[in-house]
Amino acid sequence: GAGVSQTPSNKVTEKGKYVELRCDPISGHTALYWYRQSLGQGPEFLIYFQGTGAADDSGLPNDRFFAVRPEGSVSTLKIQRTERGDSAVYLCASSFQADSPLHFGNGTRLTVT
Amino acid sequence: SQQGEEDPQALSIQEGENATMNCSYKTSINNLQWYRQNSGRGLVHLILIRSNEREKHSGRLRVTLDTSKKSSSLLITASRAADTASYFCATDPSGNTPLVFGKGTRLSVIA
Repeated sequence: GAGVSQTPSNKVTEKGKYVELRCDPISGHTALYWYRQSLGQGPEFLIYFQGTGAADDSGLPNDRFFAVRPEGSVSTLKIQRTERGDSAVYLCASSFQADSPLHFGNGTRLTVT
Repeated sequence: SQQGEEDPQALSIQEGENATMNCSYKTSINNLQWYRQNSGRGLVHLILIRSNEREKHSGRLRVTLDTSKKSSSLLITASRAADTASYFCATDPSGNTPLVFGKGTRLSVIA
């Protein structure tokens, strides 16, 4: 089967605009994670879903960031009033269960101008 | 916050040599995992070692874990140019919490 798919692969937006980033996890994986990675750094945790509910959203930097997973499969990360500091690669990962290895997508590179 | 710290930050070796990367962490863990990332790609899981294990092998990879020192090492034997990538350790504090990644080691294998 297919791996984790993220769209778009690249997104350029102007400061202040709203963006949505999509993640299609591996079929049957109940856990879904969003991470953010800046150049030269490791992935930084944002939010984790177990099924439809957000099990841990402690990594979201502020209330401009929000994520949903309404049917327990596809997830959307939403960023309002984007700032230049939001520029990074946003990585999505899924796993069969909470303590299983993560399968990552190739990420969405977000650039805020 | 990042719990794991890899050492060295960058490593350059000749093809055929062994590469050793180290990871130190701060709190107790349920397991520790190593991932690889090629430029512009997502991370790929390499190996998972649980807190009650001391050593694990997978092909040319050998991972050790010393929970008393809160450290792990990844050894890649007989390196190849295709091993060039960034390598990250990630810790799982409790088995039901998100992985916490380090900053990674950038490995360059020169043919």
